[in-house]
Order: sequence, then C-alpha cells, then structure tokens
Amino acid sequence: QLQESGPGLVKPSQALSLSCSVSGGSISTGSSYWSWIRQHPGKGLEWIGYIYHSGTTYYNPSLESRVTISLDTSKSRFSLKLTSVTAADTAVYYCARALEYYPLVVAFDSWGQGTLVTVSS
Amino acid sequence: DIQMTQSPSSLSASVGDRVTITCRASQIVGNSLNWYQQKPGKAPKLLIYAVSHLQSGVPSRFSGSGSGTDFTLTISSLQPEDFATYYCHESYLFGPGTIVDLK
Repeated sequence: QLQESGPGLVKPSQALSLSCSVSGGSISTGSSYWSWIRQHPGKGLEWIGYIYHSGTTYYNPSLESRVTISLDTSKSRFSLKLTSVTAADTAVYYCARALEYYPLVVAFDSWGQGTLVTVSS
Repeated sequence: DIQMTQSPSSLSASVGDRVTITCRASQIVGNSLNWYQQKPGKAPKLLIYAVSHLQSGVPSRFSGSGSGTDFTLTISSLQPEDFATYYCHESYLFGPGTIVDLK
C-alpha cells in the first residue's frame, strides 16, 4: 500500500514536497520503480518520474529541471520535490509503484489515493 | 517524441454492450502498452499490461490486443461498475483518456 503526505497548499515560486509511505512490501524490491504521477483538475495523467531501488532516477523531460525524487529505504518511503511552482502545478499528485513485468514493460500496478496540491498565494 | 491518442474521446453505452477503445502511438511501441480504469475521485487501476495480459483480479470481460502502433481495449459486456475513464499508457506517456458513460 502507498500513502501520500504533504502540504495541500504551496505558494507560487516555492517548492512542493511530498512523501509516499510504502507498506506491505519491500521498497527495495528489484523489479519496482517508485513513481510520481499527477493529474491536473479535470485532465489526464502526467508521469513525473520514478526512482529505482538503486537510486537511479528517470524524469519527465518537461519537468526534469525542477524535479527531484529521492528514496529513504530505512523509512520505506520516497519523496518528490518540485521547485519554482506556479498555478500550473496545481494537481492531484499520486505516488505509485511501477512494476517491470518484462524487460522494457513497466506498468503502474499499485497507487496511493492521491493528494491535491494547490499552488496559490 | 512519441504521441499517444485515444478514440473515441468519449462514448455512451448501455449495460451489456460490447465496447472497444483504441489507442494509437505515433511510433512503434513494442509490447509495453498498458490500460487503466479511473473512476471519479479515485486513483487509476491497472487493467491490462503488456498489451494483452489481464492484471490479477480484473474481470475477464476486459481484454487487450494490438501491436506496433495500434492497440485496443475491449469490454465484452459492459457492467454498471465499468462506467469510468480509460487510459492507455506506454513507458512515460499516458493517452488522453476515453470516458465511458451511460447512454
């Protein structure tokens, strides 16, 4: 199970920081990529990035300059930091596990419930 | 960059109908195509992975097919709980979604 936590309101130009707690399994599982995905109000899904248990990260090129995903295996959680936010970053943020079913075949098989983050002064 | 499109963007159907949703990629994506169902206020749920593999616990009325750039999600007999939005997904890209609502 995954559970997001963090502020629901962030001021423009500040950093958005969220954490995702993982329970019911090891965060160090070799075939798992720990992911962040967001959904703007009434819109579709946007992959933000993921981190492998080794610490290797992969980011959406459109967000890469502002995104950092980190992993804390001792606390079984991973985190998202998105800097210099604007109103366009207002969205529901989901953490998810991406499981590598086959080489190069990755699917998001487990999701948190999502947390709405609003960027506003 | 790969672009993902879905058609139709929305459809109205009745319980018991056979429903087909198409996902098209702008370039060949191999077998890394997945499908999700999302209901209002809920997180997406994985239905199909690797084009045609049914995720554990998903009813067998859902099926996936396709290859190359064209893929299909089929619901063989629409049930009341299937009214939702469906997204295809490849690697780091999601399709725009298809809304299935009640006729």
